[in-house]
Amino acid sequence: EAGVAQSPRYKIIEKRQSVAFWCNPISGHATLYWYQQILGQGPKLLIQFQNNGVVDDSQLPKDRFSAERLKGVDSTLKIQPAKLEDSAVYLCASSLLSNTEAFFGQGTRLTVV
Amino acid sequence: RKEVEQDPGPFNVPEGATVAFNCTYSNSASQSFFWYRQDCRKEPKLLMSVYSSGNEDGRFTAQLNRASQYISLLIRDSKLSDSATYLCVVNDGSSNTGKLIFGQGTTLQVKP
Repeated sequence: EAGVAQSPRYKIIEKRQSVAFWCNPISGHATLYWYQQILGQGPKLLIQFQNNGVVDDSQLPKDRFSAERLKGVDSTLKIQPAKLEDSAVYLCASSLLSNTEAFFGQGTRLTVV
Repeated sequence: RKEVEQDPGPFNVPEGATVAFNCTYSNSASQSFFWYRQDCRKEPKLLMSVYSSGNEDGRFTAQLNRASQYISLLIRDSKLSDSATYLCVVNDGSSNTGKLIFGQGTTLQVKP
C-alpha cells in the first residue's frame, strides 16, 4: 500500500516570497491533516479536512496561510508571504476516519532566509 | 494548561534498562490515544494505539488511566535502536472533528 506522498522534500525561500506544498494521502483516507513541526517541538495542527471540507483550521494563520483539498483527495498548503518564523517541517498526514491513527508523509523542510 | 503534556527529557538509560514515560491530557472527553515514535529528521510513525484495558506489543506496554487523565508507555529491555523521540497523541474529544493533538515528545537515548 502506498503511503502519504509529499513534495517537495526541501525548500529554501527568502522572506516575503510565496511557497506551496503538495500532499497525496493514502487512497481511501477521508481525513487529511497538515501539521507544522518546529525543531524541538511536537507537531502542531494547522488544518484538518474531512473529504474536501475543512473541519478545523483554528490554528492556521489565515492572513498568510491557505490550504485546499480539491475533490477530497490531494491537498496543497500555501504560504504567502513567508516569514522567518515559518521555518519548520510541514507534515501531511491522513487517516481512514477522524479519531483513528494517522499516517504521515516524509514532510517538507522549509527554510526561510 | 497544555492539552497534552509530556516530560521532554532527555531520558538517558543503559541498554537493557526499563524506562517509562507518562503523558497527561486535559480533555476528559478524549477517546483515542496513541504513542508515536519519531527518529531524528524523520516523520512520526505509529508505535501503538492505547486501549482502555492496556495493551502490550513485545517489549512495549501502553496503559491508560482515565480517572487521572494520563497514558503511559513502558519499554522493557531497552535497545540502542529504541533511541528516538516518543510522542503522545490524544484526540480532542469532539465527535465532530476528531482532531489529533500531539505532545511535545519525550527524547530517549539508550547508551551501550
